[in-house]
Amino acid sequence: QQQVKQSPQSLIVQKGGIPIINCAYENTAFDYFPWYQQFPGKGPALLIAIRPDVSEKKEGRFTISFNKSAKQFSLHIMDSQPGDSATYFCAARNPPLGGYNKLIFGAGTRLAVHP
Amino acid sequence: KAGVTQTPRYLIKTRGQQVTLSCSPISGHRSVSWYQQTPGQGLQFLFEYFSETQRNKGNFPGRFSGRQFSNSRSEMNVSTLELGDSALYLCASSLGFVTGESTDTQYFGPGTRLTVL
Repeated sequence: QQQVKQSPQSLIVQKGGIPIINCAYENTAFDYFPWYQQFPGKGPALLIAIRPDVSEKKEGRFTISFNKSAKQFSLHIMDSQPGDSATYFCAARNPPLGGYNKLIFGAGTRLAVHP
Repeated sequence: KAGVTQTPRYLIKTRGQQVTLSCSPISGHRSVSWYQQTPGQGLQFLFEYFSETQRNKGNFPGRFSGRQFSNSRSEMNVSTLELGDSALYLCASSLGFVTGESTDTQYFGPGTRLTVL
């Protein structure tokens, strides 16, 4: 119940394409769903995040779609660029009593955007 | 504003030794969380400290411990190192509380790459 399942494991698209990364969860207590981008040798950087009471959120070329009834959410990258080549992690937060910051991460998706 | 800093960036130890990693959070942040990242297990939550108290803990053995100082800086200690402890150890800082629309975003440092031989 604490897992977040992420797919696909890897993804290759051409420049300008729209890669879509999907995540699914079971625990309905999760209250916050961030996406992180990680480049080799760097720590994860927050890309965009959503709460379960919102069905879609856009920030620049990045969009999260959230389906609360299906317990699924996905990341879309519009007009993808070679510089978007990185590993993307979805995550979910379960707010236990007394604390907020236990993030449960998906396994990651390695994205390659070819010129 | 300076980001999260972690020292050292790289560390090589042998089995049985112990190691201490350090994390300095973003100024004003009172929560520090630690994660272990490995190719096999991905990113796994170790523990979170807020105002010098551990308030969240993941499923790691007692060899993994941490502490937080009054200036919010945090250290993580691993005793009796095993080969499987080789990983990237990430520290993340946040304000530590949710108010209004704030979601208490976690900001990660670059990590400490620990290799156990």
